[in-house]
Amino acid sequence: EPEVTQTPSHQVTQMGQEVILRCVPISNHLYFYWYRQILGQKVEFLVSFYNNEISEKSEIFDDQFSVERPDGSNFTLKIRSTKLEDSAMYFCASSEAGLNTEAFFGQGTRLTVV
Amino acid sequence: ELKVEQNPLFLSMQEGKNYTIYCNYSTTSDRLYWYRQDPGKSLESLFVLLSNGAVKQEGRLMASLDTKARLSTLHITAAVHDLSATYFCAVEFGNEKLTFGTGTRLTIIP
Repeated sequence: EPEVTQTPSHQVTQMGQEVILRCVPISNHLYFYWYRQILGQKVEFLVSFYNNEISEKSEIFDDQFSVERPDGSNFTLKIRSTKLEDSAMYFCASSEAGLNTEAFFGQGTRLTVV
Repeated sequence: ELKVEQNPLFLSMQEGKNYTIYCNYSTTSDRLYWYRQDPGKSLESLFVLLSNGAVKQEGRLMASLDTKARLSTLHITAAVHDLSATYFCAVEFGNEKLTFGTGTRLTIIP
């Protein structure tokens, strides 16, 4: 069964460093998303991406964050100058057609900023 | 403001008992999802509810949707230990992003 895959599963980084979280969405999906879950809290939307551009972003997704689809298969989230409060589980998701189609989630990357 | 609220936040119940988790949302929705999350794991899709009066069942879990009341319920029948997890509802409010509820941490006690 097709699935969304994320790498790495766990990343530890020092405060101020840049990190790139990687995702391979399901191959025929056109909409891609990043969500964040701080430990013990609810899942929060960060950004959606379609047709090589951001279609929507939340207030959390400030200039520190960027997304890219560098090739036909990968979808990345870059966090510049990480802060302690960026420590969270980051989930990538993809859906076939956006609105009214189910999004499928990857297994997540746990980011720890020390 | 788009809001999704769940209650209770924590639920501890004995095996064999029945209970219901509630999900309220603030405005008209296109669809509602229920997810299960085990500690440190990803989100497992349980149900997708599309229309008023929709009811779906899988094993000991049954989900329903009342769009007029802006309420969804997740009912657990004769709970077993394997159902211990955190359950989230998530709502699609006219765009493709999901707004998640606060989650209900369910613990089944033998």
